[in-house]
Amino acid sequence: EVQLVESGGGLVQPGRSLRLSCAASGFTFDDYAMHWVRQVPGKGLEWVSGISWNSGSIAYADSVKGRFTTSRDNAKKSLSLQMNSLRAEDTALYYCTKDRRPYGGDSGDAFDLWGLGTKVTVSS
Amino acid sequence: QSVLTQPPSVSAAPGQKVTVSCSGSSFNIGKNDVSWYQQVPGTAPKLLIYDNDQRPSGIPDRFSGSKSGTSATLAITGLQTGDEADYYCATWDIRLSPGPVFGGGTKLTVL
Repeated sequence: EVQLVESGGGLVQPGRSLRLSCAASGFTFDDYAMHWVRQVPGKGLEWVSGISWNSGSIAYADSVKGRFTTSRDNAKKSLSLQMNSLRAEDTALYYCTKDRRPYGGDSGDAFDLWGLGTKVTVSS
Repeated sequence: QSVLTQPPSVSAAPGQKVTVSCSGSSFNIGKNDVSWYQQVPGTAPKLLIYDNDQRPSGIPDRFSGSKSGTSATLAITGLQTGDEADYYCATWDIRLSPGPVFGGGTKLTVL
């Protein structure tokens, strides 16, 4: 089955760290750029970060640059988001998404596959 | 506040047609392709339209997209109750982060 499954979310105090993971299956993972998109409950979508198919380029939204790090392991078909120095405004549902076109860069294409998301709550 | 402006809500009766607008500028829609996503409450977004007017396989032709200048439009014909959802446009803005920017979303109510 073609799917993305996120994990690693939870409740964390401001200033602490959390690592999200995304397991891919059903498609040739290493052919596609991957991204993280987040959504505050009841609000809109915000692109967070993208990584090219071969990890050659990685990009971040200004709101997370310097605090979040994206990586991928093509052998394990997995995507990760290391989130440090978390803030209350990082509270959101985090989605793992896949580019529609193969061999894309870090800026993204249309996202044709989404996971169900993992919830991150930053609160003391 | 997004650089892409969508109406907060639209509504229409079953069987009717509805359009959702997405207004931008020469820095975003005027220069880049637009995608549209449907998000049924409690579920993940789903890609409806890419490259302004292209449908992924499995998306019915009741859904169509268009772009003109600095605006884009999603049209849905033959409305069904299952179309009730939030709809988001997306593109890239040359002034902002390298990734796509999303519109604020439009809630479609099927009366």
